[in-house]
Amino acid sequence: GESVGLHLPTLSVQEGDNSIINCAYSNSASDYFIWYKQESGKGPQFIIDIRSNMDKRQGQRVTVLLNKTVKHLSLQIAATQPGDSAVYFCAEKVGGSYIPTFGRGTSLIVHP
Amino acid sequence: KAGVTQTPRYLIKTRGQQVTLSCSPISGHRSVSWYQQTPGQGLQFLFEYFSETQRNKGNFPGRFSGRQFSNSRSEMNVSTLELGDSALYLCASSWDRSEKLFFGSGTQLSVL
Repeated sequence: GESVGLHLPTLSVQEGDNSIINCAYSNSASDYFIWYKQESGKGPQFIIDIRSNMDKRQGQRVTVLLNKTVKHLSLQIAATQPGDSAVYFCAEKVGGSYIPTFGRGTSLIVHP
Repeated sequence: KAGVTQTPRYLIKTRGQQVTLSCSPISGHRSVSWYQQTPGQGLQFLFEYFSETQRNKGNFPGRFSGRQFSNSRSEMNVSTLELGDSALYLCASSWDRSEKLFFGSGTQLSVL
């Protein structure tokens, strides 16, 4: 499969733990943020998004937190499962731009 | 609803050759973006097409080109292949403005 996990920060957790994946974004003008999950052999898959007028957004087992003061984004995964093992990317987009900018990614490894 | 389809799944070429990759977006999606993914550089934006027009272009040499057809299907072409072009090439489609991208599984290109 593709070696997209090389050279990436890695987070190892036990099944059932909560996971927190962090992302520092670069552009203070960014107003839309997205988290993607990429499993081995697949393309990135949308998980959750948040706009800059919000600090927190919750989905099913996932929560995204946005701190615009320090340009920081985090993805929290509750009760992490082996199926959550993947590379997670954050992406930012400036209003009016068509193109999101992707972060380098974090590899999440969940041990049964 | 069928997802984004990319063909071929794997491709092996030699230096100097050219290659054409194909992408069929989700039905109804008119925006198609292409990304290059490598372990060292992460996800790098190549170009984006909307209604058969290239709307945005990333920072890649002219050897990389693309087009979009009236049915929104897209192709990208790389001419005079170099070893450094070895990568996973991902296509993504969206309704517009690329806010939520739907990715295909990619074409893994190996240049020998």
